[in-house]
Amino acid sequence: GAVVSQHPSRVICKSGTSVKIECRSLDFQATTMFWYRQFPKQSLMLMATSNEGSKATYEQGVEKDKFLINHASLTLSTLTVTSAHPEDSSFYICSAQIRTGGFNQPQHFGDGTRLSIL
Amino acid sequence: GENVEQHPSTLSVQEGDSAVIKCTYSDSASNYFPWYKQELGKRPQLIIDIRSNVGEKKDQRIAVTLNKTAKHFSLHITETQPEDSAVYFCAASLAGNQFYFGTGTSLTVIP
Repeated sequence: GAVVSQHPSRVICKSGTSVKIECRSLDFQATTMFWYRQFPKQSLMLMATSNEGSKATYEQGVEKDKFLINHASLTLSTLTVTSAHPEDSSFYICSAQIRTGGFNQPQHFGDGTRLSIL
Repeated sequence: GENVEQHPSTLSVQEGDSAVIKCTYSDSASNYFPWYKQELGKRPQLIIDIRSNVGEKKDQRIAVTLNKTAKHFSLHITETQPEDSAVYFCAASLAGNQFYFGTGTSLTVIP
C-alpha cells in the first residue's frame, strides 16, 4: 500500500519550455503533498506544501510564479515549472501523506523526475 | 524552525558488521522521527520511524533509538549486507507536518 506515482520520470527540453509534473497517490487519499528538489549527493530541499483545495505554501526563496502547484483532488498534485531555464535542471520529487484522523504519518515518495533544460 | 544534523556523511563497513547513523534536532516539540533509505536514482523509502512516546523501536536488523532529553536519535543496522548500501536520511517533524531532513549518510557495505 501507500504507492505514489510520479510522471514523467525524465524530461529533456529546450530553455523557455514549461514542464508539468504529476504526482498521484494510487491507493490512498493524501491530505497533503510535498514537492522537493534534490541536487546531486544532497538532501531533500522542500519547495512547497500542497493541500487539497487550497493554495500551496512555498518555502522561502522559492518563486511561486515559477513553480506553479495545483492540488485539485485528494490523489493528484501537479508542479509546473514555467519558462524553464538551465538552472532549473534538477531532480524533483513529490511525496504524499495519508489522510487520517491522527498525526505523525510518514510521507510516501514518488520516483522523482529528472529535469534537464538545454 | 527545526534544524536536523546528521553524522557521519559517509560510512563504510564490512559486511556483517553494524552501522550506526546519528541525528540531532533542535526543536524539543518535534515528536515524529522517520528514517528513509534512498538508492541511487530512486525514491526515498521509509524504513522505520519512531514517535516521541517511545525510546526504541526495532524491525528485524534495523532499530532506532530516541533520546528526547538530549534531542538525538540514531539508526542501527546490524549484520549489514551489500544491499544495505544506500543513502540514509533522518527527519524530524512536529505532528507529522513538514519534515526537516538531515543531510544524509552514504553507507557502503563492503562484501
